[in-house]
Amino acid sequence: QKEVEQNSGPLSVPEGAIASLNCTYSDRGSQSFFWYRQYSGKSPELIMFIYSNGDKEDGRFTAQLNKASQYVSLLIRDSQPSDSATYLCAVTKAAGNKLTFGGGTRVLVKP
Amino acid sequence: EADIYQTPRYLVIGTGKKITLECSQTMGHDKMYWYQQDPGMELHLIHYSYGVNSTEKGDLSSESTVSRIRTEHFPLTLESARPSHTSQYLCASSESAFTGELFFGEGSRLTVL
Repeated sequence: QKEVEQNSGPLSVPEGAIASLNCTYSDRGSQSFFWYRQYSGKSPELIMFIYSNGDKEDGRFTAQLNKASQYVSLLIRDSQPSDSATYLCAVTKAAGNKLTFGGGTRVLVKP
Repeated sequence: EADIYQTPRYLVIGTGKKITLECSQTMGHDKMYWYQQDPGMELHLIHYSYGVNSTEKGDLSSESTVSRIRTEHFPLTLESARPSHTSQYLCASSESAFTGELFFGEGSRLTVL
């Protein structure tokens, strides 16, 4: 079992719709959770992080964390073609200084 | 914009050659990392360093080695390249107080023939 699992996609959404991405993790000791965006041929960049159960909103992005169920999700509202990318979920363990990445979900936003 | 640089961006070499991928950052970050990523696949941590003279192997076994003699420099070396080493190598750094934000270089794409 992989430590961090994501559906590879592609997740195809029409422009203006909500894209919903899910991520599950196996280690109950995981403490911090991150979403990175990676455009094709580019390096990843951090877009969201969440530490506590519940929702965290930043602009059109909302991260949701449920530690009891060991999943974290990312919602992208009003999806734009520029949101087309691979979204990587990453987690750290307690007092950890390393990120473990999932395989990523490829999102395609169609005009 | 992150100030972390990798050279070369692209490298095609023959089997058995020794190669060094360079990574430098000007942000004064103590923590540096090397990830390996095949096209469309996940990132795998192969080496990391928490400071000068500190290096550790990552979660994915790698035949490469690293050194950290200066804070800003974290080169990765393959003594004898093989076709199985063909991949994208991404260098990253983070602040001393780890926040989970990694700053990535643009990557070095290695092809071993």
